[in-house]
Amino acid sequence: GQNIDQPTEMTATEGAIVQINCTYQTSGFNGLFWYQQHAGEAPTFLSYNVLDGLEEKGRFSSFLSRSKGYSYLLLKELQMKDSASYLCAVRDHRGNQGGKLIFGQGTELSVKP
Amino acid sequence: EAGVVQSPRYKIIEKKQPVAFWCNPISGHNTLYWYLQNLGQGPELLIRYENEEAVDDSQLPKDRFSAERLKGVDSTLKIQPAELGDSAVYLCASSFGGRSVGEQFFGPGTRLTVL
Repeated sequence: GQNIDQPTEMTATEGAIVQINCTYQTSGFNGLFWYQQHAGEAPTFLSYNVLDGLEEKGRFSSFLSRSKGYSYLLLKELQMKDSASYLCAVRDHRGNQGGKLIFGQGTELSVKP
Repeated sequence: EAGVVQSPRYKIIEKKQPVAFWCNPISGHNTLYWYLQNLGQGPELLIRYENEEAVDDSQLPKDRFSAERLKGVDSTLKIQPAELGDSAVYLCASSFGGRSVGEQFFGPGTRLTVL
């Protein structure tokens, strides 16, 4: 089966750095995605990791360790607009499930002044 | 470039009534997804189309839910009859290639309230 765990909520201060962790168990791993979702809006793509290591994109970075079933999203120089839900999603490539994303429950991040 | 379009944005109905949601994916995207998202949860896949073929509908409650994508472009998701527990946001997403890297682009969703 598949299981994805991430913290329900986190709080951080404007200008600081925050790390959102995600652990997963899946039989047919084919990549891990991070999405950002503001309240009442659609999820928007942030990052994609399929190989071990760090992917950096501006203030956001994402790390993957396939052997540990672990990823994190790192947000630097936090801004108030970063307050949102951050969704970790694992893609399964097995059979007709190729391309299927399994989402975690999301981590609600609150950025305080 | 236009994003994924969904309508309506909001729908309020009484239980046992039918309801339908419409989605138009990004032009050129052959893969279309319907997700259900409950409050405080991540999206859950209901059905995935590659062109006009439903390649994964294992999570679709087929007793009351149906979907179609007749010409491989836009799609309709229907619930008949709706139940109280169907209240949720229904998200449509599209991507280029179901097995490639292609990220999924989401529409704004339809928020359904069943009274």
